[in-house]
Amino acid sequence: SQQGEEDPQALSIQEGENATMNCSYKTSINNLQWYRQNSGRGLVHLILIRSNEREKHSGRLRVTLDTSKKSSSLLITASRAADTASYFCATDANFGNEKLTFGTGTRLTIIP
Amino acid sequence: SQTIHQWPATLVQPVGSPLSLECTVEGTSNPNLYWYRQAAGRGLQLLFYSVGIGQISSEVPQNLSASRPQDRQFILSSKKLLLSDSGFYLCAWSSKADEQYFGPGTRLTVT
Repeated sequence: SQQGEEDPQALSIQEGENATMNCSYKTSINNLQWYRQNSGRGLVHLILIRSNEREKHSGRLRVTLDTSKKSSSLLITASRAADTASYFCATDANFGNEKLTFGTGTRLTIIP
Repeated sequence: SQTIHQWPATLVQPVGSPLSLECTVEGTSNPNLYWYRQAAGRGLQLLFYSVGIGQISSEVPQNLSASRPQDRQFILSSKKLLLSDSGFYLCAWSSKADEQYFGPGTRLTVT
């Protein structure tokens, strides 16, 4: 099964509301990352949180990490139409290789 | 600044034909390079990665192959395409420091 699995698979909210997406993973990690993908485009790195961190902020993004539950959440506050995209979490393995394992993604739609 | 290029952007190929997708990176040296495939509405599947020239690691057995003839060039190939090879192919690089940076992707349709 997937190392990273996001839920929900799809989320639609009104512009201005907050959007929360969750990611669960199975093995120990060094860090967890979140990426955004607009339709038909490459992925864009949003934020990285290390295993010894519990919360991180970047602009309207807030990421939390709970290593005891092997889960992370991405909160987008005051959503905008431009936030419409798919969001993926990605985890590395905790033994120093350079591979990331991506989840299946959450498709976020912001309704104007 | 660093940039990553992929071409072609779209490709339609018949079953059994060969494939060559190219990825090049500018503005960095000795990057890690990656090839992913994304099926419609799905997550990314890592196909190959390379930590240096001539060093290729394959993640999924298949009829695809990868080569890294130069430090900043990564090529994905196939001798004979299958229908199941259709998908969105993404190249990425990293500086061995965690974040990966993705190219614009190639949409491959095998008919």
